[in-house]
Amino acid sequence: QQQVKQSPQSLIVQKGGISIINCAYENTAFDYFPWYQQFPGKGPALLIAIRPDVSEKKEGRFTISFNKSAKQFSLHIMDSQPGDSATYFCAATVSSKIIFGSGTRLSIRP
Amino acid sequence: DAGVIQSPRHEVTEMGQEVTLRCKPISGHDYLFWYRQTMMRGLELLIYFNNNVPIDDSGMPEDRFSAKMPNASFSTLKIQPSEPRDSAVYFCASSLGTQHTDTQYFGPGTRLTVL
Repeated sequence: QQQVKQSPQSLIVQKGGISIINCAYENTAFDYFPWYQQFPGKGPALLIAIRPDVSEKKEGRFTISFNKSAKQFSLHIMDSQPGDSATYFCAATVSSKIIFGSGTRLSIRP
Repeated sequence: DAGVIQSPRHEVTEMGQEVTLRCKPISGHDYLFWYRQTMMRGLELLIYFNNNVPIDDSGMPEDRFSAKMPNASFSTLKIQPSEPRDSAVYFCASSLGTQHTDTQYFGPGTRLTVL
């Protein structure tokens, strides 16, 4: 019940396209849903986050859509750029701890 | 600030040896977290400290792993004896608190290879 399930495992998108990564959870105690971006050889870095009482949050080209009733949330990257190529982790927080999804390796083709 | 600093960046050791990973959190951050990242298990929280006190070590895999935080600017994660299955990237992270607005900042990680 502590898991956060993430899909797809890998994703290839053409430059300028929309990248979509999906996550699902079971634990209704989760109270915050961040997304992290990780480049090779680096630690994860917070990208964008959403509270469960909000259905959508947008920051530049990055948007989180949140469906509380379905216990699902997703990251949309609009106008995807080669610099967006990285591994993306969805996550959920409970009791001061972050539970990470398994990650999605995103490659943007020029 | 230089961010979270970890050393060494890479460590190669032989099975049975003791390994010590080091972390310097961002100055002023009260929380410090140790994570392990592997292909099979992803990113796992091992242990976290608040004001140098271990709060939750439920993620520590077994007694071979231990972590200390002797002061606000230094923490160690020790594996003794090391085994090949301990090979992973170990991350340290720090934050001001654990509220939603308190971002965890990750260090660059230590890539550990146990032969």
